[in-house]
Amino acid sequence: AQSVTQLDSQVPVFEEAPVELRCNYSSSVSVYLFWYVQYPNQGLQLLLKYLSGSTLVESINGFEAEFNKSQTSFHLRKPSVHISDTAEYFCAVSGNFGNEKLTFGTGTRLTIIP
Amino acid sequence: NAGVTQTPKFRILKIGQSMTLQCTQDMNHNYMYWYRQDPGMGLKLIYYSVGAGITDKGEVPNGYNVSRSTTEDFPLRLELAAPSQTSVYFCASRDNQPQHFGDGTRLSIL
Repeated sequence: AQSVTQLDSQVPVFEEAPVELRCNYSSSVSVYLFWYVQYPNQGLQLLLKYLSGSTLVESINGFEAEFNKSQTSFHLRKPSVHISDTAEYFCAVSGNFGNEKLTFGTGTRLTIIP
Repeated sequence: NAGVTQTPKFRILKIGQSMTLQCTQDMNHNYMYWYRQDPGMGLKLIYYSVGAGITDKGEVPNGYNVSRSTTEDFPLRLELAAPSQTSVYFCASRDNQPQHFGDGTRLSIL
């Protein structure tokens, strides 16, 4: 079984400032890791994923996350945020074989302050 | 290619009523999932299916039922609606990772 902890339920950040959204997981098996973004009144969209290979993964809109196995973390970062980044961000983990289900964190609401 | 389609988008039910939330995917995915999302709780898995004719319980299945007669469709049934089932419901599908989500059904039980 897996679990995910997103310690920060809300993160306010000034526009053009950097941001880090923290995600820690626990698992007894090797994992896949995901960040999903949910804009107001919409469904979840995949932001980025770690399946294998390079531990640093990037999205098309400037976010990146690094898989750190020793610290069991998958923190999400962006060097300069924009108003349009206002959303809720969910970290999720699954085992990396067979019929493994996603386990979600409780989410972090990112609010960009103009 | 519409992806995962959920209907209806919004619904208000009275306590004790029943309804079916529809989910259809056109990607020929074998795996399908139903989640509920409550404020501050993330997403909880209700039921899932690994293929037509096969379903299994997730973390919070009580009060719900599902069926999977075709690869495309995975309806979620509420038999006796209760206020605790007020939530936003998401359907998802996949073959390989990641899961693809629908836009959700916002359900209120009054």
